[in-house]
Amino acid sequence: KAGVTQTPRYLIKTRGQQVTLSCSPISGHRSVSWYQQTPGQGLQFLFEYFSETQRNKGNFPGRFSGRQFSNSRSEMNVSTLELGDSALYLCASSLAELAGAYEQYFGPGTRLTVT
Amino acid sequence: DAKTTQPPSMDCAEGRAANLPCNHSTISGNEYVYWYRQIHSQGPQYIIHGLKNNETNEMASLIITEDRKSSTLILPHATLRDTAVYYCIARSYLPDKLIFGTGTRLQVFP
Repeated sequence: KAGVTQTPRYLIKTRGQQVTLSCSPISGHRSVSWYQQTPGQGLQFLFEYFSETQRNKGNFPGRFSGRQFSNSRSEMNVSTLELGDSALYLCASSLAELAGAYEQYFGPGTRLTVT
Repeated sequence: DAKTTQPPSMDCAEGRAANLPCNHSTISGNEYVYWYRQIHSQGPQYIIHGLKNNETNEMASLIITEDRKSSTLILPHATLRDTAVYYCIARSYLPDKLIFGTGTRLQVFP
């Protein structure tokens, strides 16, 4: 089975712009979660989507949003980029239907640099 | 989610067992202990998880104390490729999300 894929792998944007990142989960996985990793804050949970619905959300401003499509692929969008949004954005997919011991499998991440 | 505490760094000689401790004294009964590792700038990799019993898979063993307040991840024969940051997570499923701490940076040396 192919793993989680994320595109693009690297991105450079300017302050004030917006960006869209894409994630394709492992085939059959319906849950997609997004995380942000920065040297200062570490790995932080952004949100989780299941069956095209946002099921969980972390403590990030409304500039961070996402969506999931019927084929389980997910996108996240960051509007009005700030320098502090420079980070590695990671996507993870899992089989999780409801509560259960389903591990999350991570993609390689998208490295976003805001200048 | 329960908070976990790990030593910031550890060293291990190649071929020896690496024992990575984790303290989760406030873990609740429905929280699993998960371990992930992250090799420099790659996505985290799932290693193993457990609830009460000790677990073993092809990568590692997980030893959970009887009171579930701490656990140890064991890499039986560490290799240079095991050099990574190891995260111990106490995970509940409502809501389902991983709360990463600062992890342990394991350095395996020749």
